[in-house]
Amino acid sequence: AQTVTQSQPEMSVQEAETVTLSCTYDTSENNYYLFWYKQPPSRQMILVIRQEAYKQQNATENRFSVNFQKAAKSFSLKISDSQLGDTAMYFCAFQFMEYGNKLVFGAGTILRVKS
Amino acid sequence: EAGVAQSPRYKIIEKRQSVAFWCNPISGHATLYWYQQILGQGPKLLIQFQNNGVVDDSQLPKDRFSAERLKGVDSTLKIQPAKLEDSAVYLCASSDAPSSYEQYFGPGTRLTVT
Repeated sequence: AQTVTQSQPEMSVQEAETVTLSCTYDTSENNYYLFWYKQPPSRQMILVIRQEAYKQQNATENRFSVNFQKAAKSFSLKISDSQLGDTAMYFCAFQFMEYGNKLVFGAGTILRVKS
Repeated sequence: EAGVAQSPRYKIIEKRQSVAFWCNPISGHATLYWYQQILGQGPKLLIQFQNNGVVDDSQLPKDRFSAERLKGVDSTLKIQPAKLEDSAVYLCASSDAPSSYEQYFGPGTRLTVT
């Protein structure tokens, strides 16, 4: 079974600074997707960024980027120029590379951006 | 485009009572998911539908939970009878699978069982 581990229950960062959230996963599969989701207090789960396992290039979406290390099964999220609106719970998630498959989530990291 | 709708947003019941949650997915999305998110944990899949057929219900406690998706659109998730450990947020998601990987989530229903 696939497992996703987020070892940082809580993180905090000053506004405009950079923060990195960690995620490791375990799978014997070779083709899969990895995601970071953001869940603000409103509970609406929002997709932040995704990475296809077959791609060596790390994904980037504006201020969000990932460091994907397939051999180490590591998938960290870097948030640059942190904003107050980035305050939320962040979940790392795994999905088999077959559309429609379920997401397997980590336990989440609470990120607090301080002014 | 309207997002995934869920109701109610909050529900408080006593143990051994019954409760039902409703989900309306994004129009045209054939795949619908129900996830359970216990406080302090990540969401866990309870059941997945493709149109009105069940794809995966391996994590659904079938002695008390049931779900249906009539006509392949709206879905209801029922708990009967509820236990204290069922207190959680129940998230509904939909996707355009197999055309797309992305799942779109609703705002969730927070259930408190006392």
